[in-house]
Amino acid sequence: TQLLEQSPQFLSIQEGENLTVYCNSSSVFSSLQWYRQEPGEGPVLLVTVVTGGEVKKLKRLTFQFGDARKDSSLHITAAQPGDTGLYLCAGDMNTGTASKLTFGTGTRLQVTL
Amino acid sequence: NAGVMQNPRHLVRRRGQEARLRCSPMKGHSHVYWYRQLPEEGLKFMVYLQKENIIDESGMPKERFSAEFPKEGPSILRIQQVVRGDSAAYFCASSPIQGALASYEQYFGPGTRLTVT
Repeated sequence: TQLLEQSPQFLSIQEGENLTVYCNSSSVFSSLQWYRQEPGEGPVLLVTVVTGGEVKKLKRLTFQFGDARKDSSLHITAAQPGDTGLYLCAGDMNTGTASKLTFGTGTRLQVTL
Repeated sequence: NAGVMQNPRHLVRRRGQEARLRCSPMKGHSHVYWYRQLPEEGLKFMVYLQKENIIDESGMPKERFSAEFPKEGPSILRIQQVVRGDSAAYFCASSPIQGALASYEQYFGPGTRLTVT
């Protein structure tokens, strides 16, 4: 059973377009992290959200945590070829202690000129 | 400030041999996690360790796999008698000491790509 479902699975867009990636679950998470992974490399942490309804911005990337802390979204404005990669959401179910992450199914983004 | 280090980056083993994967956490981090990424699949948790202690090994296969994080030195993920199905990318992550928002954040190494022939 996959606890975190991401959609879409694949996305191919042109430079300058906007896009949104969704991360959904029926479970509640104490925090949720977004990563980007390049081929042959490890995931790189983009952001952590911990409060229901929280919105965080990182340049052209906007992250939102759902009010019930069961879902999250990543919105990219004016996508660039450098945004190409595998985007992963990952949830932590424990509050107050370090624990394992449950990863989403991933969204593979390709941005072309 | 060096990140999480893993070695080797690539490892080729024949069926039946042993594989040893090493992970040095970021400076100041006391928690180490191992994840496995099978081809065309997502990252799956294997084990979570602190110095000299296994905290959560719920994702570890019951046989042939073991992990340690000694008082001195890197964390080791050991796979005995490897089979072709063990071929995957193995990632290590570390996180800082508990007590703050930062405790939720895990930082990943570049991974070790294991190929079993």
